[in-house]
Amino acid sequence: EVQLVETGGGLIQPGGSLRLSCAASGFTVSSNYMSWVRQAPGKGLEWVSVIYSGGSTYYADSVKGRFTISRDNSKNTLYLQMNSLRAEDTAVYYCAMEGGAGAFDYWGQGTLVTVSS
Amino acid sequence: QSALTQPASVSGSPGQSITISCTGTSSDVGSYNLVSWYQQHPGKAPKLMIYEVSKRPSGVSNRFSGSKSGNTASLTISGLQAEDEADYYCCSYAGSSTSHVVFGGGTKLTVL
Repeated sequence: EVQLVETGGGLIQPGGSLRLSCAASGFTVSSNYMSWVRQAPGKGLEWVSVIYSGGSTYYADSVKGRFTISRDNSKNTLYLQMNSLRAEDTAVYYCAMEGGAGAFDYWGQGTLVTVSS
Repeated sequence: QSALTQPASVSGSPGQSITISCTGTSSDVGSYNLVSWYQQHPGKAPKLMIYEVSKRPSGVSNRFSGSKSGNTASLTISGLQAEDEADYYCCSYAGSSTSHVVFGGGTKLTVL
């Protein structure tokens, strides 16, 4: 059974850093496109970043230069390092596996990141 | 990359059919047959309902169907049921050299 479990969210001050983790089971993270998608309170879905099976990474303009996506193949885990956090980064962050380009087959339960002083 | 355009809300009575539109550009919806649709109930993670414009994942009711014409994709739900009440989001691949994918703003479906 495919399962994605995100951890690492919490309350952080503006300008701070946080690392989110997404532990996967039932499939191999490195063999799939893996993305982070976020949802601000009461708002819609926003794609944040993707890491392709070959290792290429891409980011939304809103986080480029501040966020870094990575994976640890030995732990079958996806990460999102978030630096220089802003109030507008406050959201539930989901990790998701893409069965095909743009088709997010499986989602984690999400982890809430709140950026506030 | 701008978000895809969806109506903010749609409604229908049980048993009726509704259609949600999703308008993009020639750089996303119009260029790729890689449009997907997601259903999200309050407090829950999104669920894939349609992928590659019109394909249904295993376990998704055949009451859900998708189509595309030009830069606009559509999700149709027939035989509306109370449990269909949720938010629906479209998503399109936008090319690996740009923003990868772009989501629509979401549509709140109310079953009257």
